[in-house]
Amino acid sequence: GQQVMQIPQYQHVQEGEDFTTYCNSSTTLSNIQWYKQRPGGHPVFLIQLVKSGEVKKQKRLTFQFGEAKKNSSLHITATQTTDVGTYFCAGRSNDYKLSFGAGTTVTVRA
Amino acid sequence: DAGVIQSPRHEVTEMGQEVTLRCKPISGHDYLFWYRQTMMRGLELLIYFNNNVPIDDSGMPEDRFSAKMPNASFSTLKIQPSEPRDSAVYFCASSYMGGYTFGSGTRLTVV
Repeated sequence: GQQVMQIPQYQHVQEGEDFTTYCNSSTTLSNIQWYKQRPGGHPVFLIQLVKSGEVKKQKRLTFQFGEAKKNSSLHITATQTTDVGTYFCAGRSNDYKLSFGAGTTVTVRA
Repeated sequence: DAGVIQSPRHEVTEMGQEVTLRCKPISGHDYLFWYRQTMMRGLELLIYFNNNVPIDDSGMPEDRFSAKMPNASFSTLKIQPSEPRDSAVYFCASSYMGGYTFGSGTRLTVV
């Protein structure tokens, strides 16, 4: 079955620095979504990428979908304490269900 | 819109007891999903419905788990009998052509 791998599992970042989390699928995806879960909270939808090579930005967050539609990345610039949480990628192939990666848990040093 | 509403928020039960988790999706959303989240296994899809019809229940761990969606505004996930390894956060999510909206979850503890 489809598997979505996400690295790194943990990211400890100094406030103000940049970081990137990566997502790889074993199969070609029709689209990929990103979610953020704050500690003790629930996953919150951030964005969906559909097209090969697509790049989307949300303020300090930049999302990319690979040319082969099998990988994706989330890059955060100038990390702030509000960025703390776990970021999940989730891939969709032929049916409607999403396969979630294990997530990257981000902590920020002030 | 109040979002996806789940109840109860917390449930503590003894092993062997029946547990029923409830979910009210967002009005107009035609897909409903039940997920389980644990530290060891992450987010696991248990079952999902489209227009109240179960489409894929391959993630349901075993026959002790069952889910229903009698109408577009209500779904239940039942565990009978419950076991300590069922302890987890159970999320319901609904969707219409795009991202999922998750409920706040039910934290289940089976002792």
